[in-house]
Amino acid sequence: GESVGLHLPTLSVQEGDNSIINCAYSNSASDYFIWYKQESGKGPQFIIDIRSNMDKRQGQRVTVLLNKTVKHLSLQIAATQPGDSAVYFCAEKLGGGADGLTFGKGTHLIIQP
Amino acid sequence: DAGVIQSPRHEVTEMGQEVTLRCKPISGHNSLFWYRQTMMRGLELLIYFNNNVPIDDSGMPEDRFSAKMPNASFSTLKIQPSEPRDSAVYFCASSTGGSGELFFGEGSRLTVL
Repeated sequence: GESVGLHLPTLSVQEGDNSIINCAYSNSASDYFIWYKQESGKGPQFIIDIRSNMDKRQGQRVTVLLNKTVKHLSLQIAATQPGDSAVYFCAEKLGGGADGLTFGKGTHLIIQP
Repeated sequence: DAGVIQSPRHEVTEMGQEVTLRCKPISGHNSLFWYRQTMMRGLELLIYFNNNVPIDDSGMPEDRFSAKMPNASFSTLKIQPSEPRDSAVYFCASSTGGSGELFFGEGSRLTVL
């Protein structure tokens, strides 16, 4: 079946460096993608989203890139801070309407001092 | 804005007991989602409602699981009888339906002994 998956379960970076978290999706019909951040003991929190008619979107310190040719999504975090330590999930939405999101397994981002 | 409110935050019960998890979505949101999170399977969509009507319950694992949404401000997820393999964190999320972003609660951590 179609699924959203992440390449790496754990990513360790130095504080102040940039982080790149990758995600592969397999359903070319997906038209909406979201990155969520989940801190320990909390629910997932929205970071940034992108629609399939775009290839890049920027937020505060975060950038999402979408490559539809290879069905790849990435989240770039600039100048990572200790507070960025969390599990990051990509999620896709299949089609329009109020359908639920399909989540990947998650990448644990660890910030080294 | 109070966000999505879930209760209880933690529940420990014995196998065979009935478990009821509760959710209050964000006021004005017309879509509500129940997710289950485990280390092995990640975040799985169990069921979602649109305007209080169940739309897709294909993710509900077994007949032991049931969900209701009697009004726009309240939903329950019930497990009867509970089993140890039901141990997980259960998240409720809501959205406006028109957008893809889901707003998650803090989750209910269920342990079935």
